[in-house]
Amino acid sequence: QKEVEQDPGPLSVPEGAIVSLNCTYSNSAFQYFMWYRQYSRKGPELLMYTYSSGNKEDGRFTAQVDKSSKYISLFIRDSQPSDSATYLCAIGRDNFNKFYFGSGTKLNVKP
Amino acid sequence: EPEVTQTPSHQVTQMGQEVILRCVPISNHLYFYWYRQILGQKVEFLVSFYNNEISEKSEIFDDQFSVERPDGSNFTLKIRSTKLEDSAMYFCASKTTGGTAEAFFGQGTRLTVV
Repeated sequence: QKEVEQDPGPLSVPEGAIVSLNCTYSNSAFQYFMWYRQYSRKGPELLMYTYSSGNKEDGRFTAQVDKSSKYISLFIRDSQPSDSATYLCAIGRDNFNKFYFGSGTKLNVKP
Repeated sequence: EPEVTQTPSHQVTQMGQEVILRCVPISNHLYFYWYRQILGQKVEFLVSFYNNEISEKSEIFDDQFSVERPDGSNFTLKIRSTKLEDSAMYFCASKTTGGTAEAFFGQGTRLTVV
């Protein structure tokens, strides 16, 4: 069983839409959850970091963790064409060693 | 804004040659990582490094790989004898204290083994 699963998309939405990106994970021992944005042939850029359960909001972005369902989400409000990228979830058991990345969801926001 | 810097951005090497990928992590960071991403595949963990020693490594990180922090600012990944399947983007990442999991990635080195 894979540690983390992510729908690869692609996901195409009109500008201004609310976008929902999701990952599921296999092991309840994971406690650290991150979302990265990656443009083509570039490094992952950290968007959101959450420890344990709950919500975290930063501008147009909201990260949610539901540990009972082993499900994490990233919501993007008022999506913009510049949000077009691949979004990667990453999870970790502890906060200093390896993270497991999802396969990434490719998002296209159409003007 | 501080950032992780990697050089070179692209390296082409012949199979069997040694390569060294270089990284300058963010200056007050204490934890360092190498990840790789084969084209079209997931970002995969290779190794983590703390207090001048490897703290964890994956099964990919075999005897052909080594890491070093030679001078307190650089962090290097050496591949001793490259194989075609080592062709990938290699990302360096760094993190501050143990109290957070926020790791910041460099822009990557694209390694092409021919």
